[in-house]
Amino acid sequence: KAGVTQTPRYLIKTRGQQVTLSCSPISGHRSVSWYQQTPGQGLQFLFEYFSETQRNKGNFPGRFSGRQFSNSRSEMNVSTLELGDSALYLCASSSLPNNREQYFGPGTRLTVT
Amino acid sequence: ELKVEQNPLFLSMQEGKNYTIYCNYSTTSDRLYWYRQDPGKSLESLFVLLSNGAVKQEGRLMASLDTKARLSTLHITAAVHDLSATYFCAFDGGATNKLIFGTGTLLAVQP
Repeated sequence: KAGVTQTPRYLIKTRGQQVTLSCSPISGHRSVSWYQQTPGQGLQFLFEYFSETQRNKGNFPGRFSGRQFSNSRSEMNVSTLELGDSALYLCASSSLPNNREQYFGPGTRLTVT
Repeated sequence: ELKVEQNPLFLSMQEGKNYTIYCNYSTTSDRLYWYRQDPGKSLESLFVLLSNGAVKQEGRLMASLDTKARLSTLHITAAVHDLSATYFCAFDGGATNKLIFGTGTLLAVQP
């Protein structure tokens, strides 16, 4: 069974631009969560989608948004990029809305210059 | 506020020694997770602890959960260099798949 995939793996953007990251969950998994990892703030929850609905959102500004498609693939978008948005963005999938285990993808390393 | 305190933040140990990483969390939760992260890599699930008193072991790692004390431990037995990584604990922050992570413990096992 293929794992969680994320594209692109690396991205360099300039301040003020926007970016879209993609996550394909494990086949059959319907829940996708997104996390941001930075050296200063650690791992922080961004949001979670289940069956195309956002079920929970972390404490991030409105510049961070996401969506989920009918095939469970998810995208997250960051508009008006700031230097502080440089991070590793991880998505995780699980099979059920309140499952015990999440499986993480390899992450997208975003650098904002 | 939902918080996880993990200590120590950095642990340098010699091969063959034993040590324990501690994870305290701030709210009632009966689900606690341990992950491993190698440099530049993603998170690998190590243990899922689902109830008070749960103990799980895999190789040289053993994790336990005390929900009354809101404490989980990850015990390393006879460390080897391959265990060098950052270890995170996390608990479930609500009714959805939202994990609240600890700060991580960077483990360096010296030969």
